[in-house]
Amino acid sequence: ELKVEQNPLFLSMQEGKNYTIYCNYSTTSDRLYWYRQDPGKSLESLFVLLSNGAVKQEGRLMASLDTKARLSTLHITAAVHDLSATYFCAVLLSGGGADGLTFGKGTHLIIQP
Amino acid sequence: DAGVIQSPRHEVTEMGQEVTLRCKPISGHDYLFWYRQTMMRGLELLIYFNNNVPIDDSGMPEDRFSAKMPNASFSTLKIQPSEPRDSAVYFCASSRRGRESEKLFFGSGTQLSVL
Repeated sequence: ELKVEQNPLFLSMQEGKNYTIYCNYSTTSDRLYWYRQDPGKSLESLFVLLSNGAVKQEGRLMASLDTKARLSTLHITAAVHDLSATYFCAVLLSGGGADGLTFGKGTHLIIQP
Repeated sequence: DAGVIQSPRHEVTEMGQEVTLRCKPISGHDYLFWYRQTMMRGLELLIYFNNNVPIDDSGMPEDRFSAKMPNASFSTLKIQPSEPRDSAVYFCASSRRGRESEKLFFGSGTQLSVL
């Protein structure tokens, strides 16, 4: 069974600081997704990482994937209040036969002015 | 494109009643997924379809839950009879199989409260 673990689950930080959210998964996968969810809203796709060493950046967010370590990171640079949300990583099993994403529990991020 | 459309947005019902949630995927997408989100269990995959055919329903909690996809533009998730522990947000999502990202697009969700 594929397990996806995120840490931390809760994070309160100040504007202007940097921080990293970690996502570990238990079995082989070469596709990892990051989503953002605002309170009471749906999930918005942020990044799709398709191969080992993949790095993608959008504004103050940067995501990376290490398939050998089964680890992805979401790095926040110089945080601003608008980035407050819950961030989920999700993994697709390799080898076909299972097309549904398995999600982590989410990291609830609060950025204080 | 209007995105994935779910209805209703909110549903309040009494225990024992039948509940039907509806989803219209993005046109051209060949995969449709039903997820449930709760505080305790997070996002759980209930069932998914490929080309209108149910592929994996191992996440469906019990026989009280059923899902159908009669055509490429419509799917339903039915709970009969409903119970308070079914209270959750139910998301429908769709994607298109291809060599690229196979990004999953989510609907706005249905907030279900069973009293």
